Amino acid sequence: DTAVSQTPKYLVTQMGNDKSIKCEQNLGHDTMYWYKQDSKKFLKIMFSYNNKELIINETVPNRFSPKSPDKAHLNLHINSLELGDSAVYFCASSPPRSPYNEQFFGPGTRLTVL
Amino acid sequence: AQKITQTQPGMFVQEKEAVTLDCTYDTSDPSYGLFWYKQPSSGEMIFLIYQGSYDQQNATEGRYSLNFQKARKSANLVISASQLGDSAMYFCAMREGPGTYKYIFGTGTRLKVLA
Repeated sequence: DTAVSQTPKYLVTQMGNDKSIKCEQNLGHDTMYWYKQDSKKFLKIMFSYNNKELIINETVPNRFSPKSPDKAHLNLHINSLELGDSAVYFCASSPPRSPYNEQFFGPGTRLTVL
Repeated sequence: AQKITQTQPGMFVQEKEAVTLDCTYDTSDPSYGLFWYKQPSSGEMIFLIYQGSYDQQNATEGRYSLNFQKARKSANLVISASQLGDSAMYFCAMREGPGTYKYIFGTGTRLKVLA
């Protein structure tokens, strides 16, 4: 069974469009994250939810909006896509409130904006 | 301020030799965890090894070991008997807390194993 899954794996779209990426984890974790990995492989945290509550909201454009319908799901919606949004987006989950547990990552979604 | 520093953007190692990937960190929290992840060219993030700030011994997982020097704030990854499949990006990460949720990642080191 896949621990953290993301759909779609690849997303190619035109500038100006709106798109969503879905993430689901079956690990029973309370905390989920979205990361953006740029072409230089730098991993930047975007958002984190704990039990459906937004707890990390880094400096990202308002066009990005996360949504957590339940603690097993964290979706990312992007409005008015721009060329600079092209990247790999990773979803991850972790047990809460402990520095001693690793994050589990999804396979990533490669977004290409044309 | 940079909390996780990986100073080696790229490394080469001969197959079957050992290699050390450097990682230094900065925190004033006495309780923290240090992690290493591997990202092969296929793109997934694979957890390799973990070290807790209170652990007395260096962590080991198969061919991976973590050279933890607390006073120097370093957590270097040692890969023994390198294999061609070890060619990948390697990321060092830290989580402070128990009260924080954020994992902080370094910029990564690209390792190439030569046949």
